[in-house]
Amino acid sequence: DGGITQSPKYLFRKEGQNVTLSCEQNLNHDAMYWYRQDPGQGLRLIYYSQIVNDFQKGDIAEGYSVSREKKESFPLTVTSAQKNPTAFYLCASSITGPGNTIYFGEGSWLTVV
Amino acid sequence: KQEVTQIPAALSVPEGENLVLNCSFTDSAIYNLQWFRQDPGKGLTSLLLIQSSQREQTSGRLNASLDKSSGRSTLYIAASQPGDSATYLCAVRRYSGGGADGLTFGKGTHLIIQP
Repeated sequence: DGGITQSPKYLFRKEGQNVTLSCEQNLNHDAMYWYRQDPGQGLRLIYYSQIVNDFQKGDIAEGYSVSREKKESFPLTVTSAQKNPTAFYLCASSITGPGNTIYFGEGSWLTVV
Repeated sequence: KQEVTQIPAALSVPEGENLVLNCSFTDSAIYNLQWFRQDPGKGLTSLLLIQSSQREQTSGRLNASLDKSSGRSTLYIAASQPGDSATYLCAVRRYSGGGADGLTFGKGTHLIIQP
């Protein structure tokens, strides 16, 4: 089945640690995105990538890093510099071009303990 | 900076009623507007996409309209069912430098359909 797979679904991190969230898609989409969702807030854009080996910062990129070495994969690293990392993280993808629907994965819950 | 507002924040209605969810945005320079559904603890499911040149889109019992000049969109749900209970999110696709980037989201309307 075509879709976007995020892993792990639940992740616990100790303060000071970096963690990496995986996002893989088999939809042959060029564009991929990472969003963060907090309770009572809308989704906010962290990073996006329109093509392999290229990515841009979104609205809240501080404390996060990404890579795009393969078309199918867009991992997000939450670094120790992110002051409030506990949130629900959503990966998305789309065909390149502004008129296209953006599709989302099932999300990953990150909790700092 | 683009801002998206959804009204009401929460809504509870009896099964069978028709209802309207509202979305407004501050910058009319958008590529399109998308409505999503989110179930608790889950990802987003795309419901309808309206291009900036379109006025409305329909899918089954759902109808979404767009008035770009006034910065408004509505999602109309006909003959509501308990399975429609979810959070509904509105998002606009924005311009950024050389082209479109991601979506700007509203905070959503939490909908409960009472059996």
